[in-house]
Amino acid sequence: GQQLNQSPQSMFIQEGEDVSMNCTSSSIFNTWLWYKQEPGEGPVLLIALYKAGELTSNGRLTAQFGITRKDSFLNISASIPSDVGIYFCAGFYSGGSNYKLTFGKGTLLTVNP
Amino acid sequence: DTAVSQTPKYLVTQMGNDKSIKCEQNLGHDTMYWYKQDSKKFLKIMFSYNNKELIINETVPNRFSPKSPDKAHLNLHINSLELGDSAVYFCASSQFLGGELFFGEGSRLTVL
Repeated sequence: GQQLNQSPQSMFIQEGEDVSMNCTSSSIFNTWLWYKQEPGEGPVLLIALYKAGELTSNGRLTAQFGITRKDSFLNISASIPSDVGIYFCAGFYSGGSNYKLTFGKGTLLTVNP
Repeated sequence: DTAVSQTPKYLVTQMGNDKSIKCEQNLGHDTMYWYKQDSKKFLKIMFSYNNKELIINETVPNRFSPKSPDKAHLNLHINSLELGDSAVYFCASSQFLGGELFFGEGSRLTVL
């Protein structure tokens, strides 16, 4: 099955710093999604990417779909305390009829005010 | 209005009991899912239904039985609960198979 490696596992940064996290896959993905999960809540979709090379922004967040279709990164600029949470990458491989969304293991982000 | 809602939010029960978690989505989506999140926060798909038909059934013990009475509902029934079933269970929906997933708030199951 598809494997997703997400790094780093955790980050502890100062408010105002920029953050970068990435995911790599052992297989080609057709779609990359980035989610954020806060304590006691479900994951919330941040950015969706559908084409290789696509670069998409959502406020201070920017994500890119890698050219090889096997990787994606998420950047957060000028972090603030409310950015705290677990960030998950997820990829869709739609080979045949297998539309299964595979999640990375998450990046725990802590922002020190 | 909550788009994907699950009940109960918390469930504490004894080993061997049978319990159900209900999920409803008001987004008009065709596809619904159950994911399990373990203590290490890893999200793993369990089931997926598209237009009330079971599409994905991962390697899940047959003590877990999903039921989709209509496109807006996907319930999860668990028989003979075991300690290892303790986790947070998330329901999600997408407009179509392969579309973006929208998650509920989760149901935390604790088996004693």
